[in-house]
Amino acid sequence: EAGVTQSPTHLIKTRGQQATLRCSPISGHTSVYWYQQALGLGLQFLLWYDEGEERNRGNFPPRFSGRQFPNYSSELNVNALELEDSALYLCASSLDKSLVAKNIQYFGAGTRLSVL
Amino acid sequence: GQQVMQIPQYQHVQEGEDFTTYCNSSTTLSNIQWYKQRPGGHPVFLIQLVKSGEVKKQKRLTFQFGEAKKNSSLHITATQTTDVGTYFCAGRNYGGATNKLIFGTGTLLAVQP
Repeated sequence: EAGVTQSPTHLIKTRGQQATLRCSPISGHTSVYWYQQALGLGLQFLLWYDEGEERNRGNFPPRFSGRQFPNYSSELNVNALELEDSALYLCASSLDKSLVAKNIQYFGAGTRLSVL
Repeated sequence: GQQVMQIPQYQHVQEGEDFTTYCNSSTTLSNIQWYKQRPGGHPVFLIQLVKSGEVKKQKRLTFQFGEAKKNSSLHITATQTTDVGTYFCAGRNYGGATNKLIFGTGTLLAVQP
């Protein structure tokens, strides 16, 4: 069974540009989460999508947005890129939102975004 | 808002020594999970604790959930070089958004052979 896949692996952009990051969850998982991990730092929660709806968002400006498609894959869009947006962006998926025992998050390998 | 702190931020041990990382939440948690992130890798789920005072073991790793469900610890006995990485705890609030995990600040473990 394929794990969580993210693309691209690396992305280089300049200030002011827009970046689009993609995530495919594990088959059967309906929830997708996005996290930002700046170099040497912890995981900062960005967004949670489930069944196509945004369920929760972290403390990030509106230029961070995303969506979830009917096949449960997801996109993260970052507009008006700033230098401090350079980070590893991790996507995770989970199986079931209602059963605690199954609320384990499986992470993809991430997209390394560099803003020059 | 809720905060989950881990100490220490960094620990360097000699191979064979023990290691412990502590996780403290500002609020009561419904459950806590632990993840390991190898250098250059992504977080990988290790274990979940749900019950107050729960203790679980995985080979050389021992996980505890505090009685008040506000703290947790991970203890590694006789570290090996394969234990190198950052260990994160992640907790969910009672009554909070079901799936929103708050990750701790992480503890980076370095093991010298």
